[in-house]
Amino acid sequence: DGGITQSPKYLFRKEGQNVTLSCEQNLNHDAMYWYRQDPGQGLRLIYYSQIVNDFQKGDIAEGYSVSREKKESFPLTVTSAQKNPTAFYLCASSNGQGVSGNQPQHFGDGTRLSIL
Amino acid sequence: GDSVTQMEGPVTLSEEAFLTINCTYTATGYPSLFWYVQYPGEGLQLLLKATKADDKGSNKGFEATYRKETTSFHLEKGSVQVSDSAVYFCALSGGSGGSNYKLTFGKGTLLTVNP
Repeated sequence: DGGITQSPKYLFRKEGQNVTLSCEQNLNHDAMYWYRQDPGQGLRLIYYSQIVNDFQKGDIAEGYSVSREKKESFPLTVTSAQKNPTAFYLCASSNGQGVSGNQPQHFGDGTRLSIL
Repeated sequence: GDSVTQMEGPVTLSEEAFLTINCTYTATGYPSLFWYVQYPGEGLQLLLKATKADDKGSNKGFEATYRKETTSFHLEKGSVQVSDSAVYFCALSGGSGGSNYKLTFGKGTLLTVNP
């Protein structure tokens, strides 16, 4: 079945440590996204990528980094510079948006990151 | 920039009750509008969408109509079930205040349906 796979489901980070969240899609989608979800705040965009080897900062990119070396993969690194990393992280993909922005995004099941 | 405002939750209903979750938006241009649903511990699933004014999106008994004159996209269901308990998000993309690739979300509304 086509879809988006995020791993691990749960992740724990020690102080000063970088951690990487995996996101893989087999939907052949061009665009991929990372969101952070905090209780009562909805989803906020961290980074997005419209095409391989290119990505743009979203609304809350500080303390995060990404790469897009392959179409199907868009890993997110939470660096030690992110002082409040505890959250639920969601990866999504879409088949481009064209002019009208009417293509829906498809989401993975998320990774819950906590601080030890 | 673009923004979405949806009614504060939580919303608690009895089974077979009528559901309305209000959503209004601010955007220039002609955005597309979406409702997503999130079940506990899972990611978001697209529930329905509408891409132009007066379009009605529908799925699994849920409906929402794109009202440009009132900048609204309210979610409705005539008879809710316990299995509808989830968090519902209203979202838009393609407005002139954001890129076509960016989804702008409301804060979500938690719905609990009791037997």
